[in-house]
Amino acid sequence: AQTVTQSQPEMSVQEAETVTLSCTYDTSESDYYLFWYKQPPSRQMILVIRQEAYKQQNATENRFSVNFQKAAKSFSLKISDSQLGDAAMYFCAYRDDKIIFGKGTRLHILP
Amino acid sequence: EPEVTQTPSHQVTQMGQEVILRCVPISNHLYFYWYRQILGQKVEFLVSFYNNEISEKSEIFDDQFSVERPDGSNFTLKIRSTKLEDSAMYFCASTRGLSTYNEQFFGPGTRLTVL
Repeated sequence: AQTVTQSQPEMSVQEAETVTLSCTYDTSESDYYLFWYKQPPSRQMILVIRQEAYKQQNATENRFSVNFQKAAKSFSLKISDSQLGDAAMYFCAYRDDKIIFGKGTRLHILP
Repeated sequence: EPEVTQTPSHQVTQMGQEVILRCVPISNHLYFYWYRQILGQKVEFLVSFYNNEISEKSEIFDDQFSVERPDGSNFTLKIRSTKLEDSAMYFCASTRGLSTYNEQFFGPGTRLTVL
């Protein structure tokens, strides 16, 4: 069965600095999608970025980028120029029809 | 931009009561999902639904739960006799196709509180 592991329950970063959230996963599939979702206090699930497993190029979305290491089954999220609005719970997720989520990392932004 | 909607945003009920959570998926989507998030925990898959039947369900989705698409737009999750541990945020999601390429769009969630 597929699993997603986020080993950092909480992280803090100074405003305008860069932070990296870690994620590892386990699967026997070769083609799949990986996601990072943001969940602010409103608890809405907001898709931040996604990565197709067959693409070697790392996905980027403005200040958000990923470091996808397929062989290592690692999928980290880098947030550059952190802003106060980035404070939220971040979930790493794997798609196999249904979505399998990690336990999340709570990100604090320090002014 | 089309979006998934859910009603109510917050439901409070007494233990043992039945609740129905409603979702309106995006109109041209064919696959529907319910997920649950107990406060402070990760989001967990409950059930997927396609062509008017359940495609897959998790071990959480026991006989107390049922899903239905009563008309062309609504997708409901019913809990027959609520328990305290059913208190959670419930998210509906929909997608156009089963391929992992197709993004699942999440609704804003319904917060269920069982007293």
